[in-house]
Amino acid sequence: DAKTTQPNSMESNEEEPVHLPCNHSTISGTDYIHWYRQLPSQGPEYVIHGLTSNVNNRMASLAIAEDRKSSTLILHRATLRDAAVYYCILRDTTSGTYKYIFGTGTRLKVLA
Amino acid sequence: DSGVTQTPKHLITATGQRVTLRCSPRSGDLSVYWYQQSLDQGLQFLIQYYNGEERAKGNILERFSAQQFPDLHSELNLSSLELGDSALYFCASNPTGGQNEQYFGPGTRLTVT
Repeated sequence: DAKTTQPNSMESNEEEPVHLPCNHSTISGTDYIHWYRQLPSQGPEYVIHGLTSNVNNRMASLAIAEDRKSSTLILHRATLRDAAVYYCILRDTTSGTYKYIFGTGTRLKVLA
Repeated sequence: DSGVTQTPKHLITATGQRVTLRCSPRSGDLSVYWYQQSLDQGLQFLIQYYNGEERAKGNILERFSAQQFPDLHSELNLSSLELGDSALYFCASNPTGGQNEQYFGPGTRLTVT
């Protein structure tokens, strides 16, 4: 299984940028890197995904290493509403289908 | 609001019983995914359907089964329930079942006593 490794928890001050790292050394050439977040008492929510190039959207930016073995989710200005568990996910390719394998994620705490 | 609906919101039942969880995907989405989230196991993929057919299987127990109906809603059936089946069950959908983002519902919290 394609696996990811993330720190268990991180803290950030409100309105500061946050860099959430993810290692995925077993990534295959066609796997996209997906990020989701789960706010308390809610289902996971899509944040961003990318393949090779850095990606930006209204929520965040995704910086992907040149060898694709790691990536970083960047929240440009953390707010209290960004406190959540952030999951970095790869597709499991063993069956040739698109199923996600969620890891334990990073719990982000945002300090006022 | 993701557009995915799940019913019921909460379910409390006894060991040995059978329950059915229901999911309505976003309008136009053909693919439905089921996940289980428990305290000790985290979010685990159970099964995926695409346009009525099973597409991928994860760590789904034999006591669990699912189906997707012609109107694209899906049901997850859990039988011979055990205490360890207590968890949040999430349904997600996306248009084609590929690398597109998945839209998750609010979940059904199942408590087995």
